Amino acid sequence: NAGVTQTPKFQVLKTGQSMTLQCAQDMNHEYMSWYRQDPGMGLRLIHYSVGAGITDQGEVPNGYNVSRSTTEDFPLRLLSAAPSQTSVYFCASRGQANNSPLHFGNGTRLTVT
Amino acid sequence: AQSVTQLGSHVSVSEGALVLLRCNYSSSVPPYLFWYVQYPNQGLQLLLKYTSAATLVKGINGFEAEFKKSETSFHLTKPSAHMSDAAEYFCAILNDYKLSFGAGTTVTVRA
Repeated sequence: NAGVTQTPKFQVLKTGQSMTLQCAQDMNHEYMSWYRQDPGMGLRLIHYSVGAGITDQGEVPNGYNVSRSTTEDFPLRLLSAAPSQTSVYFCASRGQANNSPLHFGNGTRLTVT
Repeated sequence: AQSVTQLGSHVSVSEGALVLLRCNYSSSVPPYLFWYVQYPNQGLQLLLKYTSAATLVKGINGFEAEFKKSETSFHLTKPSAHMSDAAEYFCAILNDYKLSFGAGTTVTVRA
């Protein structure tokens, strides 16, 4: 059981470039989410999905797109990277019960210059 | 909307001393509350969760937290700090079906 796998671990982008952060889980979790972590701000929810084909916006969705074509995968797309998107990004999933704990990946550290 | 506030962004304790991390919540409904720990360069791991079954919740690594409705608090404690407890700790609350996190408290442990 690999849990939640995020790739890449590190990425440097130039302003205006696009890229996709990958997230996959092998626990058959319906709920998946993306957070960004910035110093002093905790984790803020970007987008989430309650099942294949269903996505919704979180607290800070601007500049990011997601899709959920399968239960396992939940990629996060940056369409035109900006320096304000420099952050550590975490993907997390949980089981069906709302109070199930989130399982986190190890993060992607993104720098936009 | 439900939210949590962590008091103190940085706590320094001596090895063997009590660890106390403070979290206050705001919720219009009975809350589901969580504590997570993050070690350097890793994702977050669940320490413990409160789901109304018992007010004193025991977690992993010797941590526990007490839910106090009268104080709207869910403080995390460990009687005796170990060097391996150095990490960042996050309190979180279930908000609809999404998890909202506090700003985090970094714990350093002095030998």
